[in-house]
Amino acid sequence: GQQLNQSPQSMFIQEGEDVSMNCTSSSIFNTWLWYKQDPGEGPVLLIALYKAGELTSNGRLTAQFGITRKDSFLNISASIPSDVGIYFCAGSSQGGSEKLVFGKGTKLTVNP
Amino acid sequence: DVKVTQSSRYLVKRTGEKVFLECVQDMDHENMFWYRQDPGLGLRLIYFSYDVKMKEKGDIPEGYSVSREKKERFSLILESASTNQTSMYLCASTTLGAGGIYGYTFGSGTRLTVV
Repeated sequence: GQQLNQSPQSMFIQEGEDVSMNCTSSSIFNTWLWYKQDPGEGPVLLIALYKAGELTSNGRLTAQFGITRKDSFLNISASIPSDVGIYFCAGSSQGGSEKLVFGKGTKLTVNP
Repeated sequence: DVKVTQSSRYLVKRTGEKVFLECVQDMDHENMFWYRQDPGLGLRLIYFSYDVKMKEKGDIPEGYSVSREKKERFSLILESASTNQTSMYLCASTTLGAGGIYGYTFGSGTRLTVV
């Protein structure tokens, strides 16, 4: 099945550093979503993006819907230990489509 | 809050056993999904369902079946468990027409080990 290209696969950073990750697709998407999965838990929705160029924040998290509609970025500022986990991007090519396409995830480790 | 509940957090089963993973959601969602998650492979769709008694194969249905007798419950069945089915299994749900807009709500996962 179709998957998004998400990078990097993993990141090891120091507390306080900023983090950036991205997802790309070969096709145009109408919706981009970013999830976080804490260790041993299911993914939880962080941010949803619906318009090309849209920039949306949720606390220290900021995500952008790329102008080409084929990519999206997630930035985390001033990382803290509880930011550890796996971050997934997901996209939909149709607004009402039932099925999302997921990236493989970025595993984030934050050293205190 | 929407809640998706998976009945077991951890399971250990023997090779050849028939295994049932249960998922219940409390928000009257029409759509339910089963994924497995493995390191480096991301989330892979096993089966999904748009309605009661309705099911469709996802990307990796081999070795699995599903049952949806009631709207709130979606069961994943491993007909004869094998060691390569050791994985984290995630259930998700969304309301009709909204999956591509609002995303899915996931359960906490069942970590299955087949020995």
